[in-house]
Formats: sequence, C-alpha cells, structure tokens
Amino acid sequence: EPEVTQTPSHQVTQMGQEVILRCVPISNHLYFYWYRQILGQKVEFLVSFYNNEISEKSEIFDDQFSVERPDGSNFTLKIRSTKLEDSAMYFCASTAGAFTGELFFGEGSRLTVL
Amino acid sequence: DQQVKQNSPSLSVQEGRISILNCDYTNSMFDYFLWYKKYPAEGPTFLISISSIKDKNEDGRFTVFLNKSAKHLSLHIVPSQPGDSAVYFCAASAYKNEKLTFGTGTRLTIIP
Repeated sequence: EPEVTQTPSHQVTQMGQEVILRCVPISNHLYFYWYRQILGQKVEFLVSFYNNEISEKSEIFDDQFSVERPDGSNFTLKIRSTKLEDSAMYFCASTAGAFTGELFFGEGSRLTVL
Repeated sequence: DQQVKQNSPSLSVQEGRISILNCDYTNSMFDYFLWYKKYPAEGPTFLISISSIKDKNEDGRFTVFLNKSAKHLSLHIVPSQPGDSAVYFCAASAYKNEKLTFGTGTRLTIIP
C-alpha cells in the first residue's frame, strides 16, 4: 500500500540552527501539507502546497518557515533558525485530488530543539 | 482558540460494547467533518467523514452522527475491538478551505 514517508524520524538540534524535514508523498498525489503537534496539544495546520506554490498557510508559518518541492518526489519543510517552541512532531500529508479532507499522513518527524 | 473541542481526554470501553466519542465545534463556517485515528509513533489515519448536508454516515463498525443545530458530532464504534485502542481526533474544514482544524483528541482504550 502506498504511503507517505518522512525523514528523519527524530532530529535534535541547537536553538538557532537550520533544520530541513523531508517527505516523500504518495506518487500520484498533487496536494501536500505540513502539520505539527506540540507534545500534549492538538495537531495544527502549517501549510498547504499545490502546483509548486503555497496555497494556504497558518499564522504559525512565519518567515522562518519555508517549503519546497525540489524534484518530482520530495517535499521539504525548512526552519531557518529554530526556537525552543519549534519542538514538536511534524507531519507531512498528501492527497490526490481536490481537497476532500482525507489526508494521508506520514509517521512524523520529531524535532527537539535544545 | 479551540474551534474544535473534544472534552473527554480519555475513554475506556469493554470489548464488544459501543464506544461513543464526542466532538463539539464553534465555527459555523465548518461544513465538512472527519475522524482520524492515531496509534503511537504513527501519523493520523483517516477513518470516516461527513458533510454538513448529512446527519449520519456509516462505514462498517463506524458511524458518525452530525447535529448541526447543536454543533456536535459523535463517532460510534460497535462492536468495539481491542485494535480500536488509539487516540481519535475530530477534525473540521470550511468549504473550499484546505486547512483542517483538529480537536485535542480522545484516547480510547478497549478493555478485553
């Protein structure tokens, strides 16, 4: 069964460092998303991406965040200068067609900022 | 800003009985509702959805009920099985809005 894969599964970084989280969405999917879950809190929308551009972003997704689809398979989330409060589980998701809400999530990348 | 609320952080149900998970929302613009299930160390998995034009949607052991006037939805699982033990998230979206707003989740434990 096709699945969304994310790397790394866990990354520990120092405050102020740049981090890139990588995702390989399901191959025929066209819509891509990043969500995050701070420990003990709800899953929060960060950004949606379609046709090589951001289609929507939340207030969390400020200038220190960026997304990119550098080739035909990868979808990345970059955090330029990490803060302690960026520590969270980051989930990539994808879906095939027009938005249905039925997202396919990866297993997540846990980011720990020290 | 809790637009989607799941007021029960946990629920324990005997195997074979019915599990009822509840969710309330405050945003009148929401018109599509979903339930996701999450096991530890995995991403959320889509379970079932309902559009605001319906009040019930059924898929096997899972049924979602929507009460628009009360801004309330519930997920019924019957009969409950040990493999149903997981965290269940309610989520909602507004028409033509790609963003899903999640609740905080309810941890369901099925007791054998």
